[in-house]
Formats: sequence, structure tokens, C-alpha cells
Amino acid sequence: DTAVSQTPKYLVTQMGNDKSIKCEQNLGHDTMYWYKQDSKKFLKIMFSYNNKELIINETVPNRFSPKSPDKAHLNLHINSLELGDSAVYFCASSQEWGSTDTQYFGPGTRLTVL
Amino acid sequence: KQEVTQIPAALSVPEGENLVLNCSFTDSAIYNLQWFRQDPGKGLTSLLLIQSSQREQTSGRLNASLDKSSGRSTLYIAASQPGDSATYLCAVTGGSYIPTFGRGTSLIVHP
Repeated sequence: DTAVSQTPKYLVTQMGNDKSIKCEQNLGHDTMYWYKQDSKKFLKIMFSYNNKELIINETVPNRFSPKSPDKAHLNLHINSLELGDSAVYFCASSQEWGSTDTQYFGPGTRLTVL
Repeated sequence: KQEVTQIPAALSVPEGENLVLNCSFTDSAIYNLQWFRQDPGKGLTSLLLIQSSQREQTSGRLNASLDKSSGRSTLYIAASQPGDSATYLCAVTGGSYIPTFGRGTSLIVHP
């Protein structure tokens, strides 16, 4: 069984479009995250949600809007896509906010903006 | 602001060698340090998690050490195999509970 899943795996789109990436975890975790990995492989946190509430927003442009309909899902919607948004986006989850246990990562969504 | 540096950036070794990957961090006030493995086109898999009160963790051929006072961690891989080829990422989590990642060491183990 897949612990953290993301769809789609690949996303190719034109500048200016709006797109969404979906994430689901079946681990029963309270906390979920979105990370961005750029072309130089640098992985940086974007958002964190705990029990459907936003707790971290790391100076991400407001074109990015996460939505958590329930604890098991954290979707990422991106408006007016720009070339610089091209990256791999990873979803992750952990047991609870403030826990020092490991995070479980999804397989990533490779977004290419043309 | 926490900064994490991994050296070397890339490493190519013949099968069977023992090797050491290095990770250094600037702020020693951490809760834990974690080593991940990332395969091409895949997500991250946690290898070893060292809590701040611990000095090392071992799993199979992997051993990770932590020296908080000097801001260093090493990942030791014994008897390397081609299947160990991947990118190894180090991440430290501090008071904000936000992990800070290094840029990784890309490892190739050739037969």
C-alpha cells in the first residue's frame, strides 16, 4: 500500500495556466507538508498543515494556495504559472506537529512550465 | 538561520568500498538530524534518524553519527553495492520544527 501518494506524477503546462497537484496519505498522520525541489536539487518547505489548519507558510507567493479538505489530503493549487515554478513538488506527512519523528514523502510531481 | 552543507557533492566509488558522507550545520540547537536517500524520479526514503540526545544510529550497513557541539554528522556506508547508488540528503530539524535540507551527495557505486 502506498503511504503518501501524489497525482499527477508529471505535469507539463503553459505559462499563465492554473494547475493543481493532489496528495493523499493513508498513515493516519495529523501533519502534512509541501516541499519544492529546484533544478539544483535544493529541497525547501513551502507549507505545513496540522489537522487541516495552516501552520507554516514559508514566504511562498500567494499564487500558491494549499487546501486541506481533511487530515488525509493536502492539495496544492497554483495560479498563473510562471517559468520559475518548474520544479519537483513533494508532499510529505508526519505523525503530529512538533513531533521529532520522521516524515514520509510522496514520489513527487515534476512540473514543467513552458 | 540554519544552513546545512553536504560534502562531497558527488562521489563515485568501486563496489565494496567503505565510504563516508559528511553533513555540517550552523545552528547546534536541533531536535534531530535525519539522513534520507533519494532515487532518480522518486521521493525521499528515511534511512536513519538521530535524536539530539543520541550520538549515533545504525541500520544494517549504515551508521550515522551526530556531534551537535561541532555541528557535524557523518553517514558511513560499509561494503558499498551498486544498489546504494542514489542521492543522500541530510536534514536537521530545529526549534521551528521545520527541517532544513542539505543539497545532497550524489553517490555512484560501480561494479
